[in-house]
Amino acid sequence: DTAVSQTPKYLVTQMGNDKSIKCEQNLGHDTMYWYKQDSKKFLKIMFSYNNKELIINETVPNRFSPKSPDKAHLNLHINSLELGDSAVYFCASSQDGGATSTDTQYFGPGTRLTVL
Amino acid sequence: GENVEQHPSTLSVQEGDSAVIKCTYSDSASNYFPWYKQELGKRPQLIIDIRSNVGEKKDQRIAVTLNKTAKHFSLHITETQPEDSAVYFCAAFNQAGTALIFGKGTTLSVSS
Repeated sequence: DTAVSQTPKYLVTQMGNDKSIKCEQNLGHDTMYWYKQDSKKFLKIMFSYNNKELIINETVPNRFSPKSPDKAHLNLHINSLELGDSAVYFCASSQDGGATSTDTQYFGPGTRLTVL
Repeated sequence: GENVEQHPSTLSVQEGDSAVIKCTYSDSASNYFPWYKQELGKRPQLIIDIRSNVGEKKDQRIAVTLNKTAKHFSLHITETQPEDSAVYFCAAFNQAGTALIFGKGTTLSVSS
């Protein structure tokens, strides 16, 4: 019954490496998101994306890039990983992410990234 | 810029007591205000939401109230149980309507 799934669940890597996190949703939703949750549990939006446009949070470094091969997938690529990138990354999706959206966002299980 | 403020950051209650968490938002045209519960090591899960056309919504022991004029909304949990212990997040859409802005979370601890 997994609606939004992510892989891997855990990712441990060295500084400077490039890594990817995959996300898939089987809900038929049009909009997908990536959030970062730091050690203080703060949830911050990184990207929202639908088949029309990518909205980037201006505070996100350009080392982070989302890639969507199709509507059901939104992967997160991270280049030149830094210590401060260590966090839990959540993917989410909703039916519609428009300006007057009232649609529920469903979260994936999260990927715990640890950069050594 | 957009901001969602959430209080308190921690809340400890005895089993059976009520718990109230409050949020205020600014610079938002949001019509939708969800509340998420996140248990340790788990994903945030929606527990209740309210649309701007109503002032209150209730689902068993959980209720949410919205005052759109004052730009604040609250979560009320009655008859708390130990399994209610978790981090609770409120959220509202940003001005552009492109993303949910989350409050910083409230860690609720219910002791038996």
